[in-house]
Amino acid sequence: EVQLVDSGGGSVQPGRSLRLSCVGSGFPFDDSAMHWVRQPPGKGLEWVSGISWNSADTAYADSVKGRFIISRDNAKNSLYLQMNSLRVDDTAFYYCAKGTAMAAAFADWGQGTLVTVSS
Amino acid sequence: DIQMTQSPSTLAASVGDRVTITCRASQSFSTWLAWYQQKPGKAPRLLIYKTSTLESGVPSRFSGSGSGTEFTLTISSLQPDDFGTYYCQQYKRYSTFGQGTKVEMK
Repeated sequence: EVQLVDSGGGSVQPGRSLRLSCVGSGFPFDDSAMHWVRQPPGKGLEWVSGISWNSADTAYADSVKGRFIISRDNAKNSLYLQMNSLRVDDTAFYYCAKGTAMAAAFADWGQGTLVTVSS
Repeated sequence: DIQMTQSPSTLAASVGDRVTITCRASQSFSTWLAWYQQKPGKAPRLLIYKTSTLESGVPSRFSGSGSGTEFTLTISSLQPDDFGTYYCQQYKRYSTFGQGTKVEMK
């Protein structure tokens, strides 16, 4: 059974940094593209970032480009999102999701971790 | 970037109703369109991918169709478990979601 467990969320002041983690199990993690999708409370879904199986290709939404960095450690079955220069409008539930490619439908999702950016 | 616009934003329906949700794209593309259902406090659930392919375990009352710039999700006979919010997603180039359609009880 595929499992994705998100962690690392919390409350942070504007301008600060936070790193999210996602650990995958039940599938060949080192063969899968991985993504982050976020959802502000009560609002819709926004794709944030994706990374290829070997980290050779990364992509970002314009709203986070230059501030967020996606990475992975296949030896640890782990995906990361380093979030810098956080803004109030980055407040959201952040989900990791497994994809078959850099552009993919997402059949498997983590449970989500809440990031709150507030002064 | 490809923008996705869903309609309606909210839909009130009764059990047994046929429900149709539309998603329009800012650029024409084929195939790479998915639909999700989301319940409060839960991650989205993939229902349909490649426009019309049903994900394993999804009831056959759900169907998808379309091409070009217009895509639809149809629920042939709405069941109590189907109330929630539905999102379309293009994955022709990376990923963009529609703004969502909330299906609520009439």
